[in-house]
Amino acid sequence: NAGVTQTPKFQVLKTGQSMTLQCAQDMNHEYMSWYRQDPGMGLRLIHYSVGAGITDQGEVPNGYNVSRSTTEDFPLRLLSAAPSQTSVYFCASSYSGGGAFGSYNEQFFGPGTRLTVL
Amino acid sequence: KNEVEQSPQNLTAQEGEFITINCSYSVGISALHWLQQHPGGGIVSLFMLSSGKKKHGRLIATINIQEKHSSLHITASHPRDSAVYICAVQATGANNLFFGTGTRLTVIP
Repeated sequence: NAGVTQTPKFQVLKTGQSMTLQCAQDMNHEYMSWYRQDPGMGLRLIHYSVGAGITDQGEVPNGYNVSRSTTEDFPLRLLSAAPSQTSVYFCASSYSGGGAFGSYNEQFFGPGTRLTVL
Repeated sequence: KNEVEQSPQNLTAQEGEFITINCSYSVGISALHWLQQHPGGGIVSLFMLSSGKKKHGRLIATINIQEKHSSLHITASHPRDSAVYICAVQATGANNLFFGTGTRLTVIP
């Protein structure tokens, strides 16, 4: 099993550009989520999904879009990049069994994407 | 307002020392997670617990639901334990985790 994979590992964008951060998992997990990690702050939830076709907003969703067409993939789209979106982005997945949203279960994290917006 | 507070923020220990990292939270929870973030940035799950105590190798996690407090202990610390340790809680009725800012542990040989 590859676990949770993320691409790219590093990305530099100019203000206003758009891009998609890719996330895939091969563990058949229902629950997938995107977090951003900023210095001095805990990880913050951007968007999450409890299964294919179902997504919802987290704590900091503005400027980001997601879709979940398959169980395996959960891409994160930056619509018009801003310097405030400079951060490290983590994708995570887990089983939903034992809880409605999967947060009750062991979380598996991807390696992260370091994004810089100039 | 941060639902999860960790202490200390930074911790330096000599190899072999017993380490304790604390996590306090302000909300009712269904579960608490301890995570380890390696210097390279990767995050791995260490424990998930909702009551009592769990042990894995040299790591022990405890939780006191009434006091809203959890501790992560490392026995016989080793330089390879150097990492950031993160506490996260699943608030009752919420659909996501709330994360602490982490404790940076450095173990000196």
